[in-house]
Amino acid sequence: GIQVEQSPPDLILQEGANSTLRCNFSDSVNNLQWFHQNPWGQLINLFYIPSGTKQNGRLSATTVATERYSLLYISSSQTTDSGVYFCAVNRGGADGLTFGKGTHLIIQP
Amino acid sequence: NAGVTQTPKFRVLKTGQSMTLLCAQDMNHEYMYWYRQDPGMGLRLIHYSVGEGTTAKGEVPDGYNVSRLKKQNFLLGLESAAPSQTSVYFCASSSLSNYGYTFGSGTRLTVV
Repeated sequence: GIQVEQSPPDLILQEGANSTLRCNFSDSVNNLQWFHQNPWGQLINLFYIPSGTKQNGRLSATTVATERYSLLYISSSQTTDSGVYFCAVNRGGADGLTFGKGTHLIIQP
Repeated sequence: NAGVTQTPKFRVLKTGQSMTLLCAQDMNHEYMYWYRQDPGMGLRLIHYSVGEGTTAKGEVPDGYNVSRLKKQNFLLGLESAAPSQTSVYFCASSSLSNYGYTFGSGTRLTVV
């Protein structure tokens, strides 16, 4: 199956800082999504981005499918951005996603 | 609009007991999924369904069964619970037009 590697595994930043999270995957994909799991365990879909660039407020994501990686950018971090960020992929739209192990982000006030 | 609702939210089982986790979605999504999340492991796919009456195995299906008799519901069953099934279980759904997942709030299951 597809391997998904996320880096860094842990990241501690001060409020207001910017960050870049990376997701590498081992094969071509037709579906790539980024999720945020908050400290209470809720999983929120941030982006469906199999290719190209999208932006939503302070968050943006870029996927370079030909080079098999995706980046999630968080600007002007807030404490509410803390949690675990997961990248997940698959080869076909309806198949289940394969998740990476996540990046644990802590934003300190 | 409730989205994806999972019941129960917490459960403690004794080894060998059975139970059913219910996932209900009100978004008319075609696709539904069950994942388990263990510390340091990310989420792993147990079973999934691409439509009413159809199911398929995921990465870790052993010890679980599923049914999707109605489009809005996806049930996950444990016939004989084992301590290795202690985990947090998440249900998700997505649609034909937008593959972005919507997750339920999770069920924390402990098997003693």
